[in-house]
Amino acid sequence: DAKTTQPPSMDCAEGRAANLPCNHSTISGNEYVYWYRQIHSQGPQYIIHGLKNNETNEMASLIITEDRKSSTLILPHATLRDTAVYYCIVRDNSGGGADGLTFGKGTHLIIQP
Amino acid sequence: GAVVSQHPSWVICKSGTSVKIECRSLDFQATTMFWYRQFPKQSLMLMATSNEGSKATYEQGVEKDKFLINHASLTLSTLTVTSAHPEDSSFYICSAHGQGGFRLFFGSGTQLSVL
Repeated sequence: DAKTTQPPSMDCAEGRAANLPCNHSTISGNEYVYWYRQIHSQGPQYIIHGLKNNETNEMASLIITEDRKSSTLILPHATLRDTAVYYCIVRDNSGGGADGLTFGKGTHLIIQP
Repeated sequence: GAVVSQHPSWVICKSGTSVKIECRSLDFQATTMFWYRQFPKQSLMLMATSNEGSKATYEQGVEKDKFLINHASLTLSTLTVTSAHPEDSSFYICSAHGQGGFRLFFGSGTQLSVL
């Protein structure tokens, strides 16, 4: 799976939109972009994933550039409970679930009151 | 979404004893489950892939005789840390794919402290 690069930490004010960037310049055509987050001392939580189109769900929006070499996770109205480490992961789904996910170091997002 | 239940959430044991951690998929069947380990301030590291009815596949550097994995049913995988030592103290997390294999669901983790 392709490697991803994320800033180690970011701050965001409560109530504002949090925009978390991720670079995946070596992504291949059949690899998806996944975002998970891990709140302290808990298991990771799935947020969203996409292939090339922008995606939105109840938690966040995922914006993928046209060349697919980078993406941005957007939390539209950040709350204190969004403070967590956010992981951007690129994964080929053709294995049908036989492979686990490879986690990088992620971005520690801190929401400031 | 699918639910993965992990038990216990924390355990303290003496050095030299064995500890078993259970991972259950509550509302779906999981032919494959994954075990991760996470040390403080570090990312999750995949330890092994647990396959129902067959032997687990271990990542390089993970001792299969020390970390015994049993996946006897489609909803239960267990990880046994044998002869635990203080350096085995870590946060252990299991996970499984939901239907279609597109999303990985994680348990809440087990904090193991070996004295």
